[in-house]
Amino acid sequence: AQSVTQLGSHVSVSEGALVLLRCNYSSSVPPYLFWYVQYPNQGLQLLLKYTSAATLVKGINGFEAEFKKSETSFHLTKPSAHMSDAAEYFCAVGSGGSYIPTFGRGTSLIVHP
Amino acid sequence: SQTIHQWPATLVQPVGSPLSLECTVEGTSNPNLYWYRQAAGRGLQLLFYSVGIGQISSEVPQNLSASRPQDRQFILSSKKLLLSDSGFYLCAWAVEEKLFFGSGTQLSVL
Repeated sequence: AQSVTQLGSHVSVSEGALVLLRCNYSSSVPPYLFWYVQYPNQGLQLLLKYTSAATLVKGINGFEAEFKKSETSFHLTKPSAHMSDAAEYFCAVGSGGSYIPTFGRGTSLIVHP
Repeated sequence: SQTIHQWPATLVQPVGSPLSLECTVEGTSNPNLYWYRQAAGRGLQLLFYSVGIGQISSEVPQNLSASRPQDRQFILSSKKLLLSDSGFYLCAWAVEEKLFFGSGTQLSVL
């Protein structure tokens, strides 16, 4: 069984500030972990993916996430927020075989000027 | 390159009417295909997934059904829509453990 918990349904930051979106997972097997971004009225787009090659994963648009097994976490960060980063962010966990990922409930990132 | 097409983008239907949403994938063969529903503030709910033609797995008992008549075609249907069927429906396909999503259909049942 696998599950994902995203802490905070909304995160508000000022433009230029650090972005931190939290994700904790539960998985009975070594997990694949993902972050997706969704802009209004659009489908989801993959930001980055962890598959055990490296604990720090760099994605698109300056985002990165660090896999911490001891904390079962995969938090998403960006050093400096931009107005265009305002969107819904989803953390997901998956495993091999017939791939059926489980998504968190999402975190809405709000960026203030 | 692979692309995914989903239509229509917006749909308004009366309660009790039928539904058919279509999704097609280009540039790949035998993909895993998925239908998700996104209700406001409730994240993504997996409705159906398919690993091959005619193979459909349902994750949630509901008023909806899915079919895969061709390798790269995935259809979501209902015989009679309920108010609770309103939401944003997303089709997706998977490669190397990554999901690629269509642009979604906003369904409003009135």
